[in-house]
Amino acid sequence: NAGVTQTPKFQVLKTGQSMTLQCAQDMNHNSMYWYRQDPGMGLRLIYYSASEGTTDKGEVPNGYNVSRLNKREFSLRLESAAPSQTSVYFCASSEGAGRVETQYFGPGTRLLVL
Amino acid sequence: QKEVEQNSGPLSVPEGAIASLNCTYSDRGSQSFFWYRQYSGKSPELIMSIYSNGDKEDGRFTAQLNKASQYVSLLIRDSQPSDSATYLCAVTFLSSGSARQLTFGSGTQLTVLP
Repeated sequence: NAGVTQTPKFQVLKTGQSMTLQCAQDMNHNSMYWYRQDPGMGLRLIYYSASEGTTDKGEVPNGYNVSRLNKREFSLRLESAAPSQTSVYFCASSEGAGRVETQYFGPGTRLLVL
Repeated sequence: QKEVEQNSGPLSVPEGAIASLNCTYSDRGSQSFFWYRQYSGKSPELIMSIYSNGDKEDGRFTAQLNKASQYVSLLIRDSQPSDSATYLCAVTFLSSGSARQLTFGSGTQLTVLP
C-alpha cells in the first residue's frame, strides 16, 4: 500500500516549457487535490476533484490545468511555465464521504522554473 | 477572504516542556479544524482533528477549540527534539461550496532544544 505517489520528485524547466505532474493513490479515495507551497506560506489549493469525472478550481488555478484520468490518478499540467510557478507541489487524497475527512499527502514535486 | 492566521515563530522550547501553538480563523461558520506536522523537506501529516468546542487529547498532543473566539490551539506535552517541525493549522470553510476544501495557515516552526 503506497498511499499517494507523485512523479517526478524534482524538475527544472525553462520559462515557456510545459510539463505534467502525475499523482496516483491506491486507497480507493474519491477526492483528490493539488496544492502548492511556497517558502513561508502554507499550502494553497490549486484544483481539486471531488469525485471521478469532476474537477473544480481552488484558490490559485491560473496557469494550471488538471485531468482526473480515473479514480486513482489526478494530473496537473503547466502549459507554459513561468518563474512564479517555482514551488513545491503536493497532491493529496481523501475518502470524499461524509462532512469532512482526512487528507493524505504525497511526497511532493519540487519544481524550479528558470 | 478566508483567513487562517498563525504565529510564524520560530518557537523554541526546552526538551520536556509544553509547546503551545495557536491559530485563529476568520469564518465563524467553520466546523472542522486540523493540525498537520511537516518536517523539513517532507509532506504534511495529520496529527489532530477537532470538530467540537473543548479539548481533544491524543497521547502527548491536545487540541483545543473555542468557536466563540475563533481560536484553535495545539499543546504538545513533554516536548521531544523529534517534535521539531513546522505545524500547520487547517480549517474547513463552509463558504467554499464544498466541505472538503481546507485553508491552511502559514505554519509555526517549532524547535525543541535538547
